Amino acid sequence: QVQLVQSGAEVKQPGASVKVSCKASGYPFTSYGLTWVRQAPGQGLEWMGWISGYNGKTKSAEKLQGRVTMTTDTSTTTAYMELRSLRSDDTAVYYCARGGGGSYLGMDYWGQGTQVIVSS
Amino acid sequence: QSVLTQPPSASGTPGQRVTISCSGSNSNIGTNTVDWYQQLPGTAPKLLIYGNNQRPSGVPDRFSGSKSGTSASLSISGLQSEDEADYYCTTWDDSLNGGGIFGGGTKLTVL
Repeated sequence: QVQLVQSGAEVKQPGASVKVSCKASGYPFTSYGLTWVRQAPGQGLEWMGWISGYNGKTKSAEKLQGRVTMTTDTSTTTAYMELRSLRSDDTAVYYCARGGGGSYLGMDYWGQGTQVIVSS
Repeated sequence: QSVLTQPPSASGTPGQRVTISCSGSNSNIGTNTVDWYQQLPGTAPKLLIYGNNQRPSGVPDRFSGSKSGTSASLSISGLQSEDEADYYCTTWDDSLNGGGIFGGGTKLTVL
């Protein structure tokens, strides 16, 4: 069965970086892209970016450009999202989801979420 | 403020039909398909509708989606208490900086 398993919760200081992993299984990794979505406490969903599982092509949200890097490791079927220069308003639950990127099929499987807290 | 506009709240009684709207523009809904997600408290979002009106396997046919022009809507018929959740529309935006976009979300209360 399709599974996306994310890394554990992180607590970071302002200005630091965080790297969240998303281990995919149960489907051909290179046949689907992955989308990163975050949700600040009590807020709605925010699209962060998308990466192709086939060639690593990425598209990130304008407001995060320059601070976010998305990568994949096809040998371990794992995707990574690194966010740099963390600020307090980056405190959120971060999700990876299969699909998106303008795909007709939507984001059909989601990781369990990774809590990132940015605090001094 | 979200590019896609949803009402912040909606409500209905058990058995009723509720419709949630999602308004966008020519560069997003007007050009691309719309998906809908349900999020129960403390859980990851769940895909309810993709491609404007398609239901993934396992989603009850009480849930339906439609799109017209630059707006989309999600309808829930035969409302049940377990439908109380947050609902989000999403699509792709083809403007200069483009990318995925979500509506602000609608909190559905079953009275």
